[in-house]
Amino acid sequence: KAGVTQTPRYLIKTRGQQVTLSCSPISGHRSVSWYQQTPGQGLQFLFEYFSETQRNKGNFPGRFSGRQFSNSRSEMNVSTLELGDSALYLCASSRLNYRGQETQYFGPGTRLLVL
Amino acid sequence: DAKTTQPNSMESNEEEPVHLPCNHSTISGTDYIHWYRQLPSQGPEYVIHGLTSNVNNRMASLAIAEDRKSSTLILHRATLRDAAVYYCILKGNRDDKIIFGKGTRLHILP
Repeated sequence: KAGVTQTPRYLIKTRGQQVTLSCSPISGHRSVSWYQQTPGQGLQFLFEYFSETQRNKGNFPGRFSGRQFSNSRSEMNVSTLELGDSALYLCASSRLNYRGQETQYFGPGTRLLVL
Repeated sequence: DAKTTQPNSMESNEEEPVHLPCNHSTISGTDYIHWYRQLPSQGPEYVIHGLTSNVNNRMASLAIAEDRKSSTLILHRATLRDAAVYYCILKGNRDDKIIFGKGTRLHILP
């Protein structure tokens, strides 16, 4: 079974631009979560989508948004990029809502550099 | 939001057992304890999880204190490939934020 895939793997943008990252979950998984990882803040939860609905959201500004499609694939968008948005963006999928006993499977991440 | 506390780093010798502690004094009765690890240049990977009883799988064992305020991930025989950042998180049956924290960076000495 193929794992979680993320595209692109690397991206360079400039301040003020916007970016869209894509995540394809494991086949049959209906939940997708997004995380931002930086050396200073560690791994921080952005949001979770299940059945095309945002079910959970972390403490990030409205510039960070996402969506999930009917095939469970998900995209995350960051508008008006700032230097501090440079990070590794990780996507994780789980069969159902990530609750209780459910486990998440992570992709390799997209490394975003904002200049 | 329920939080966990882990040491920043630990060191162990190859082929020795490793005990990685995690404190979670505000754990609620329905919170599961999950462990993930992140190897260099990779996304995190699931290791093990439990609720009240100790758990074993092919990767590790999880020992949960009787009061559930702490737990310990046990790697029975560490190898160089176990060098990673280990995260302990709590996951309940509700829509709460998922908090990974900084984890414990495990160094394995050959």
